Amino acid sequence: DAKTTQPTSMDCAEGRAANLPCNHSTISGNEYVYWYRQIHSQGPQYIIHGLKNNETNEMASLIITEDRKSSTLILPHATLRDTAVYYCIVRVATNSWGKLQFGAGTQVVVTP
Amino acid sequence: KAGVTQTPRYLIKTRGQQVTLSCSPISGHRSVSWYQQTPGQGLQFLFEYFSETQRNKGNFPGRFSGRQFSNSRSEMNVSTLELGDSALYLCASSFSGENTEAFFGQGTRLTVV
Repeated sequence: DAKTTQPTSMDCAEGRAANLPCNHSTISGNEYVYWYRQIHSQGPQYIIHGLKNNETNEMASLIITEDRKSSTLILPHATLRDTAVYYCIVRVATNSWGKLQFGAGTQVVVTP
Repeated sequence: KAGVTQTPRYLIKTRGQQVTLSCSPISGHRSVSWYQQTPGQGLQFLFEYFSETQRNKGNFPGRFSGRQFSNSRSEMNVSTLELGDSALYLCASSFSGENTEAFFGQGTRLTVV
């Protein structure tokens, strides 16, 4: 499975957009990019995923570069409740789809 | 629609004992995966079950085992507990197939003393 690289931490002002980068330069053609977040030792929460096209849902937008070697998760209007560890994961579209390999993630702190 | 349910939420066990944790997936989900989270190692994949068969396994000793029942509910067992087994154990369920998302339960916090 492809490995991902994320910044260790990021600060964001409440009400502003938070842009979380992720590098996955060894991603294969059949691997999806998934984003999860974990708030203070709760179970990880699914945010969004994509293969090659940009995706948007009620929580966030996912921008994947054309070469698929990196992506950016965008939280359009960060709130204090968005403070969490954000994980970028590359997931294979085979019989291993139940296996998620988590890295260290990015600790995002939203400040008033 | 009910989410993933894990029981119990908290557990304290003594070294050498064994423990069984339970996970009820979202209705219709046939894939159940288990993860261990510790401050030092982060979130690590334990194993995945699909249709009562273990499909994937992480790098954990044989003391860690699991099973899945015909209704997709899953249990994981840890025998001969060690202090280092203290962790948050998380279960996730998903539909089978690519382009699906996995949903996590709130976890079971196991403390070994």
